[in-house]
Amino acid sequence: ETGVTQTPRHLVMGMTNKKSLKCEQHLGHNAMYWYKQSAKKPLELMFVYNFKEQTENNSVPSRFSPECPNSSHLFLHLHTLQPEDSALYLCASSHKQGNGYTFGSGTRLTVV
Amino acid sequence: GENVEQHPSTLSVQEGDSAVIKCTYSDSASNYFPWYKQELGKRPQLIIDIRSNVGEKKDQRIAVTLNKTAKHFSLHITETQPEDSAVYFCAASNSGNTPLVFGKGTRLSVIA
Repeated sequence: ETGVTQTPRHLVMGMTNKKSLKCEQHLGHNAMYWYKQSAKKPLELMFVYNFKEQTENNSVPSRFSPECPNSSHLFLHLHTLQPEDSALYLCASSHKQGNGYTFGSGTRLTVV
Repeated sequence: GENVEQHPSTLSVQEGDSAVIKCTYSDSASNYFPWYKQELGKRPQLIIDIRSNVGEKKDQRIAVTLNKTAKHFSLHITETQPEDSAVYFCAASNSGNTPLVFGKGTRLSVIA
């Protein structure tokens, strides 16, 4: 492990389900990120949290809802997703925003 | 906002040859330029980075060059080996202020 842990590693969900992705880091980093990786748009920024405050929402649909209860934990709550939301969701953290990311291993999400 | 363009999208080289991947960026305020390597099924990993006060940086077989005037930077891999086969991403940010914006990636294949 890299110091950034994501669970679950794989997730299959129906379009009416509600699920959550979890990311945890104990590197002492202050910034955490969600990225979506798909064949069409590799490494697409979704959300940024800096010192627990959301600083960027990159025009993400409301069916994705982030939560950052503290500097070490980041969640992505999912509801009523579409098949096109199937992708690898990567969490990353860094000491300061935009600098030296450490990525988690990702959650491979399949929406059926 | 920042826009990062990366070329080529795919690159095949013979083992032992050199590989060069090029990126351009649009925001003159960007000052941090990392490169990530992502092997199949794995997370992106930082392999080298450069800051705007430096024109070139080298680490064994890997080197990165930066031309601030032209707003482009390049990754050079010498004496390529099969284990260099992966997808490589460039990125740019205004360190401390903005998140990383990634290029679309280059799939490098090293043929033995």
